[in-house]
Amino acid sequence: NAGVTQTPKFQVLKTGQSMTLQCAQDMNHEYMSWYRQDPGMGLRLIHYSVGAGITDQGEVPNGYNVSRSTTEDFPLRLLSAAPSQTSVYFCASSYQINAEKLFFGSGTQLSVL
Amino acid sequence: GEDVEQSLFLSVREGDSSVINCTYTDSSSTYLYWYKQEPGAGLQLLTYIFSNMDMKQDQRLTVLLNKKDKHLSLRIADTQTGDSAIYFCAESGGGNKLTFGTGTQLKVEL
Repeated sequence: NAGVTQTPKFQVLKTGQSMTLQCAQDMNHEYMSWYRQDPGMGLRLIHYSVGAGITDQGEVPNGYNVSRSTTEDFPLRLLSAAPSQTSVYFCASSYQINAEKLFFGSGTQLSVL
Repeated sequence: GEDVEQSLFLSVREGDSSVINCTYTDSSSTYLYWYKQEPGAGLQLLTYIFSNMDMKQDQRLTVLLNKKDKHLSLRIADTQTGDSAIYFCAESGGGNKLTFGTGTQLKVEL
């Protein structure tokens, strides 16, 4: 059982480039979310989804888009990368319909130059 | 809004007990969590406590909740070098996000 899988593990982008961070879970979880982790700031919620076709914004959504076409996948798109988006990104899912008892992926370390 | 605070560092000797503390502000929290993050890895759910409990024990881990003071602690008995990691406290109001603390880096010295 793979759990929550994130790709890539590392990525370097130039300012203005776009890219998609992939997240997939094989636990049939309805709830999925994206967090970013920055030094001294804990984890902050970017976007979340409570089921296929439903997404909503978290506390730091600007510069990011998400979609949820299937239960398994929840990609995060950076539209035009900025140095302020340099961070470690975590995808998380839950078998509940809300953010309880989250299972996390291993993270994507993103650097924007 | 919700806020969760933790001290940044804790250093203990192997075999001693570790106590990691956390304070939170959201009185409507349903569950309170402790997550562990090892270097280069994601967060792993370590344990959690329902808000109407004041203590939960799970092998070497003891969670204490003082709801009046909005204070949560994690005690690790017989701390081992494998316990070295960052520990995050998090709270949930039953809504669509967890609010995380900044994390406490636990260093276990021989």
